[in-house]
Amino acid sequence: QLVLTQSPSASASLGASVKLTCTLSSGHSSYAIAWHQQQPEKGPRYLMKVNSDGSHNKGDGIPDRFSGSSSGAERYLTISSLQSEDEADYYCQTWGTGIGVFGGGTKLTVL
Amino acid sequence: EVQLGESGGGLVQPGGSLRLSCAASGFTFTSYSMNWVRQAPGKGLEWISYITVSSSTIYYADSVKGRFTVSRDNAKNSLYLQMNTLRAEDTAVYYCARGRREGLYYFDYWGQGTLVTVSS
Repeated sequence: QLVLTQSPSASASLGASVKLTCTLSSGHSSYAIAWHQQQPEKGPRYLMKVNSDGSHNKGDGIPDRFSGSSSGAERYLTISSLQSEDEADYYCQTWGTGIGVFGGGTKLTVL
Repeated sequence: EVQLGESGGGLVQPGGSLRLSCAASGFTFTSYSMNWVRQAPGKGLEWISYITVSSSTIYYADSVKGRFTVSRDNAKNSLYLQMNTLRAEDTAVYYCARGRREGLYYFDYWGQGTLVTVSS
């Protein structure tokens, strides 16, 4: 079964960097995923797609501070030079056979 | 500028029906498949439905299969979700999302959502 696993929460200081992780279930380590950001009281926003080789394609207007990478079954979202507006929920997403799959989301707190 | 705008949400009693709409603009609607995704209060995102451009292929999450029907009107650049036999657990913000396939199928633009509350 295709499952995406994320840590429920993460925190980092203003101006620092943070790396969020999305883990693909066994047997699905070659899958690409997409990262979406959801700021408080807003709809989600597509950030980027991360492939199994670590290459990534960002959405329109996404700052260079956001980058993606991969290692095995893990897909990462790294945010550098953290700003207050980066405090949000971050979801990874992939697609199975006729079904969309989301991770449970990571709530990022900027200290 | 790509824009997606949902409407039609509101308060409905258990067992009732509601029809959501999503108005699309700023892109060629007939070039993209579309999706509905929902988010229960305080919870994460849940994909619930997919429809191709021609409506020839439609998928539903098990949680809504047999109760919800997705459709689109390409002449009106609109996506719809007919929701029947609503339950309390269907209470959520409902988002429409444009789909894109580049190896992975993913959602590259989202609307702001419309709130559906199922309660007596």
